[in-house]
Amino acid sequence: EAGVAQSPRYKIIEKRQSVAFWCNPISGHATLYWYQQILGQGPKLLIQFQNNGVVDDSQLPKDRFSAERLKGVDSTLKIQPAKLEDSAVYLCASSLDQLDTYEQYFGPGTRLTVT
Amino acid sequence: AQSVAQPEDQVNVAEGNPLTVKCTYSVSGNPYLFWYVQYPNRGLQFLLKYITGDNLVKGSYGFEAEFNKSQTSFHLKKPSALVSDSALYFCAVRDRGSTLGRLYFGRGTQLTVWP
Repeated sequence: EAGVAQSPRYKIIEKRQSVAFWCNPISGHATLYWYQQILGQGPKLLIQFQNNGVVDDSQLPKDRFSAERLKGVDSTLKIQPAKLEDSAVYLCASSLDQLDTYEQYFGPGTRLTVT
Repeated sequence: AQSVAQPEDQVNVAEGNPLTVKCTYSVSGNPYLFWYVQYPNRGLQFLLKYITGDNLVKGSYGFEAEFNKSQTSFHLKKPSALVSDSALYFCAVRDRGSTLGRLYFGRGTQLTVWP
């Protein structure tokens, strides 16, 4: 089966610009996650969707980050305006459901550099 | 609060020797535990998980991990390392009592296996 797809793979922007990332989860996966992975750290959850509804966005900097999941399938994460500290890899993951036992499948990530 | 500690930033081992990558955790309830591996410029790849039952869990590529409740540890092991095992390894935990899917990751351990 096809894995989690993400685009673009790399993005370089200047601070205060905006950027958007796209994710297509594995077909049939109800739960979608966006993680931020700063160099030298483990991934940190930004937002979790169950179908097209948000179930956890407690760690999302809502003054600059936003995300949506269209029709419970694809998702877009946006940053506006970007700051230097937003430089990171943004990982999208999906799982069959949000039940504890299901492992999450990760996409290749988008590496964002803010200059 | 949930947290994961990987006390070693780097582990070096010769090919053919056994390897251990250490992980300790802290959760408010009982944990679900996971190991993921990350190769350069790729997303995280699921290795194995502990949900319940036997404390020794076997996963992909000959890896296994032992859940030790009294020591709150979940160390990753392999009897005979391969050069191709060289990668970044992440331990992650979920709170069994939580309805959310959030994974808490450690900082990662860089494993290098030399010929």
